Amino acid sequence: LAKTTQPISMDSYEGQEVNITCSHNNIATNDYITWYQQFPSQGPRFIIQGYKTKVTNEVASLFIPADRKSSTLSLPRVSLSDTAVYYCLVGGGSGNTGKLIFGQGTTLQVKP
Amino acid sequence: GAVVSQHPSWVICKSGTSVKIECRSLDFQATTMFWYRQFPKQSLMLMATSNEGSKATYEQGVEKDKFLINHASLTLSTLTVTSAHPEDSSFYICSADRGANVLTFGAGSRLTVL
Repeated sequence: LAKTTQPISMDSYEGQEVNITCSHNNIATNDYITWYQQFPSQGPRFIIQGYKTKVTNEVASLFIPADRKSSTLSLPRVSLSDTAVYYCLVGGGSGNTGKLIFGQGTTLQVKP
Repeated sequence: GAVVSQHPSWVICKSGTSVKIECRSLDFQATTMFWYRQFPKQSLMLMATSNEGSKATYEQGVEKDKFLINHASLTLSTLTVTSAHPEDSSFYICSADRGANVLTFGAGSRLTVL
């Protein structure tokens, strides 16, 4: 399973765009890239998933370069309620569907 | 859709007792569920993979006799912490593979062993 590396923490202000980059140099051909959000004392919540190029949904965008060795989660115009830990996970391919290993995650602090 | 219910959300028990945590997929069937534990300010650590109708697969370092996992149906997996001790106090989270390489997580169960 591919290991991921993210910044431990990031600070931002309300209304700003936040970009969190994740490195996954050993990503396998069939692996997907999935981002989850976790608030204290809650289970992680799915944000977005992609395989290549760009994916956008109602809450975020995910940018994946051609070599897929990294990905960037983009949160437009964050609010205080976006303060949470964000995890980048890689997997799902090659018979490992669902078995995901969590890295350290990125703690995002949004300030007023 | 794709809701996973975890129960209880918190439990306090005495040292030496056993505690069972349930994980249910409410609106989909899950042949595979996963159990994690999380200590304060740390990431989730995968404990085991729960397979419906067969034995669970435990990660290295996780005692299978300590953490009993049963996945008797396509919608229910249980984790039993046997002879719990204070060091077992943690936040336990389950997840279910809803397909399309996406996991749905339960809300977690806070275990405190006195």
